[in-house]
Amino acid sequence: DVKVTQSSRYLVKRTGEKVFLECVQDMDHENMFWYRQDPGLGLRLIYFSYDVKMKEKGDIPEGYSVSREKKERFSLILESASTNQTSMYLCASSTPKSGANVLTFGAGSRLTVL
Amino acid sequence: EDQVTQSPEALRLQEGESSSLNCSYTVSGLRGLFWYRQDPGKGPEFLFTLYSAGEEKEKERLKATLTKKESFLHITAPKPEDSATYLCAVQAVEYGNKLVFGAGTILRVKS
Repeated sequence: DVKVTQSSRYLVKRTGEKVFLECVQDMDHENMFWYRQDPGLGLRLIYFSYDVKMKEKGDIPEGYSVSREKKERFSLILESASTNQTSMYLCASSTPKSGANVLTFGAGSRLTVL
Repeated sequence: EDQVTQSPEALRLQEGESSSLNCSYTVSGLRGLFWYRQDPGKGPEFLFTLYSAGEEKEKERLKATLTKKESFLHITAPKPEDSATYLCAVQAVEYGNKLVFGAGTILRVKS
């Protein structure tokens, strides 16, 4: 019954490595989002996409990029990981038919950068 | 200044002890206020959307209410399975269609 799947639950990377976080949804949702979640800071929006090959910056895009080549897949890329990118990363999707901000989240990917 | 503030940060209740969580916001042009529940090790799960002051929504032991500057999530006779982090988020004119989340309230209900 999993609807939003994040490929890795736990990752440990070294400073400077390139990191790919993959997210796939099976609900045919138009919108997809990447958030990071840090204690005391809540969820912060990194990037979002309302359509294939479309992307828009969220509140904290620095150090990240995204790719959406297919409707169901939204990838987050850390070009050169840094320790301050250690965090929980959450992918979400939604559709305007149910409310663009009624988000379905994945289980999260916890990234540690050493 | 935080746009969305949740209080308390953590709340411990005995089973059956009713209480409320608060979400206050300073945004103008509110388009919607959202409540999500997050269990440990999982992503948030949508609970409610409120659009205008005076609106209320209910689901099992939870009731969400909205005023012009805050929302309350009332928990009536909670059970241990209600233990989770509760997140609120606002959608406002100045932020377009994006949600701004609060930091959450961690609720623990002991039997």
